[in-house]
Amino acid sequence: DTGVSQDPRHKITKRGQNVTFRCDPISEHNRLYWYRQTLGQGPEFLTYFQNEAQLEKSRLLSDRFSAERPKGSFSTLEIQRTEQGDSAMYLCASSLGVNYYEQYFGPGTRLTVT
Amino acid sequence: AQKVTQAQTEISVVEKEDVTLDCVYETRDTTYYLFWYKQPPSGELVFLIRRNSFDEQNEISGRYSWNFQKSTSSFNFTITASQVVDSAVYFCALSEQGDDKIIFGKGTRLHILP
Repeated sequence: DTGVSQDPRHKITKRGQNVTFRCDPISEHNRLYWYRQTLGQGPEFLTYFQNEAQLEKSRLLSDRFSAERPKGSFSTLEIQRTEQGDSAMYLCASSLGVNYYEQYFGPGTRLTVT
Repeated sequence: AQKVTQAQTEISVVEKEDVTLDCVYETRDTTYYLFWYKQPPSGELVFLIRRNSFDEQNEISGRYSWNFQKSTSSFNFTITASQVVDSAVYFCALSEQGDDKIIFGKGTRLHILP
C-alpha cells in the first residue's frame, strides 16, 4: 500500500494527557499537511510542511499543539495537556511539489478526550 | 476571504434517482481551484474532481457530473441514477493559487435509500 498512512487510527485519552500522532506520506511527496475535522464539519487546515520546514500554521494551532517533520519524511503531531475540545479526527495529507492542490488524504486518527 | 457554503446539510433520495449537491464559494482571487471530495463511513477522504477557475467546461465522469458557473460562484455536483454505495458525506472545497491549504465546506450527508 503506497497511500498516506496514519497511526494510531483511534486514540482515547484522559483530559490533561499528552498524545502524539504519526503520519507517513506517499514516499515521493515533499509536502505534508495536517487538518482537523470535528463532528459535522469539514476538515480545517492546521499546518503544512515542505520537506522538513514548517511553512504555515493556522490560528487553530494553539501553543499546546506542535508538529514536526524531522527528516522530511514522516510527521508527528503532538497535543499537550489535551482538552475535551481537542476531540476530533486528525487528517494528514501529502502532495508533490508544485501540484500542491493534489492532496492525498490518509484515513485519519480519531481522538477522543474523556 | 475564502469561503465555501454547502447549504444542504443532509439529503435522502431513493436509489436510482438523480441528486444534485450544491456548492457556492467566495474568493477574491481570479485564479483558484475547486474540488469535490467524498467521505464514506470509513472516514477516508476520496478525491473526486478538481477544476481550475479558467476552465468552465462541465465535466462528466460516469454517473457523476459537475456544473461550474463563475457567474453565480457555484460548483454543483450531480449523481445520476444514484446507488446505495454513493451514500457518504460530500465536501466541496476551494484553494486559491499560491495558498497551499484547501478550504472545505461543511459537507452534505447523502443517504441513498434502497
